[in-house]
Amino acid sequence: QSALTQPASVSGSPGQSISISCTGSSRDVGGHNYVSWYQQHPGKAPKLMIYEVSNRPSGVSNRFSGSKSGNTASLTISGLQTEDEADYYCSSKRSGSTRVVFGGGTKLTVL
Amino acid sequence: EVQLVESGGGLVQPGGSLRLSCAASGFTFSAYWMSWVRQAPGEGLEWVANMNQDGSEKYYVDSVKGRFTISRDNAKNSLYLQMSSLRAEDTAVYYCAREKANAFHIWGQGTMVTVSS
Repeated sequence: QSALTQPASVSGSPGQSISISCTGSSRDVGGHNYVSWYQQHPGKAPKLMIYEVSNRPSGVSNRFSGSKSGNTASLTISGLQTEDEADYYCSSKRSGSTRVVFGGGTKLTVL
Repeated sequence: EVQLVESGGGLVQPGGSLRLSCAASGFTFSAYWMSWVRQAPGEGLEWVANMNQDGSEKYYVDSVKGRFTISRDNAKNSLYLQMSSLRAEDTAVYYCAREKANAFHIWGQGTMVTVSS
């Protein structure tokens, strides 16, 4: 069982917007602003999409945005494109010896 | 080009040992925290271990404490993961990643470790 809870799957049509939630606790998501989101296509390494809750690395489309409220963080993808179909993982810094925890991942299907 | 390249994976029997390496290029390796992250077949990501720039701080997920050791050689721009007492549940793709503020900005392509008799 993963430390952070994500929905197993979400879907949307091209051009629509979707959001993926990531729920943790005060030890991780709620206690820090070090929440990140990763995109992973099949057989590929993960790619950082959002860091520190809402910051985008250089080169990541502004269709991707992040936010946080309490113990839940969210990734929003607007203007869905077929190439957005992938697995998405959240992660957070955690207080204590386990420094970083991940969510179980969400499979995004673009219909 | 900023790049991380892992090597050293393979098939090992339960109880055996393996040493993974990660060669860094295109950036000042000694300036960054580095991590190992793994992904079991068909499963999600799991952070395994990380260490700071000079090796004075090292952290591990509970399931590998006492069995895995992370290390680095800044002169060789390399990160290592020494794995011993391997178990079937350690079977995974192991990625090295460049870390900043608990986010993994750069990832290698991964190396597969299979623990099986």
